[in-house]
Amino acid sequence: DAGVIQSPRHEVTEMGQEVTLRCKPISGHDYLFWYRQTMMRGLELLIYFNNNVPIDDSGMPEDRFSAKMPNASFSTLKIQPSEPRDSAVYFCASSVGAINTEAFFGQGTRLTVV
Amino acid sequence: GDSVTQMEGPVTLSEEAFLTINCTYTATGYPSLFWYVQYPGEGLQLLLKATKADDKGSNKGFEATYRKETTSFHLEKGSVQVSDSAVYFCALWADSSYKLIFGSGTRLLVRP
Repeated sequence: DAGVIQSPRHEVTEMGQEVTLRCKPISGHDYLFWYRQTMMRGLELLIYFNNNVPIDDSGMPEDRFSAKMPNASFSTLKIQPSEPRDSAVYFCASSVGAINTEAFFGQGTRLTVV
Repeated sequence: GDSVTQMEGPVTLSEEAFLTINCTYTATGYPSLFWYVQYPGEGLQLLLKATKADDKGSNKGFEATYRKETTSFHLEKGSVQVSDSAVYFCALWADSSYKLIFGSGTRLLVRP
């Protein structure tokens, strides 16, 4: 298996532009997680899905952020409009079940908003 | 609420030195505990885990014991290598909030 695949690996955009991050989870995994990593705040859980349904989005910072999972093999995280403080590494992870199980992480998307 | 506290980094060691990275947690119930490792430019990978008190997780020479009495899950390795240089994250699965909660991470630098 290729693991969790994220695209793009790097994204540089101007403030105010829309940004879409993409994730393909490991086949057969029923949970998908979006995390944000910054020096100041560490690793934060933004949202997670179970069987394509959003379960907990309490970590989404504000309405500018939205996430979808239209099917079991694809998810997007969208920021509109983007701001410089959104600059971070965004990770997608997937797992089989949630309790006591290993979460498999993608390589992340490094987002820079200028 | 549920939380994980790790020692501040960076931790700098010489090759073959003994490693300890401290991790303590606050949680209701009996959480499962994990150590993840992040190598430069990559995502996190599970290093080891323990699901109940007194369990010892081990992998690649690393060990951690789930100590309920001290609410700790310290990571140890007897002899580190340069290739162990990475950021190490302690985490717990919180039943109360049904999510995996990570500590802030500890950077380890191993010098030849």
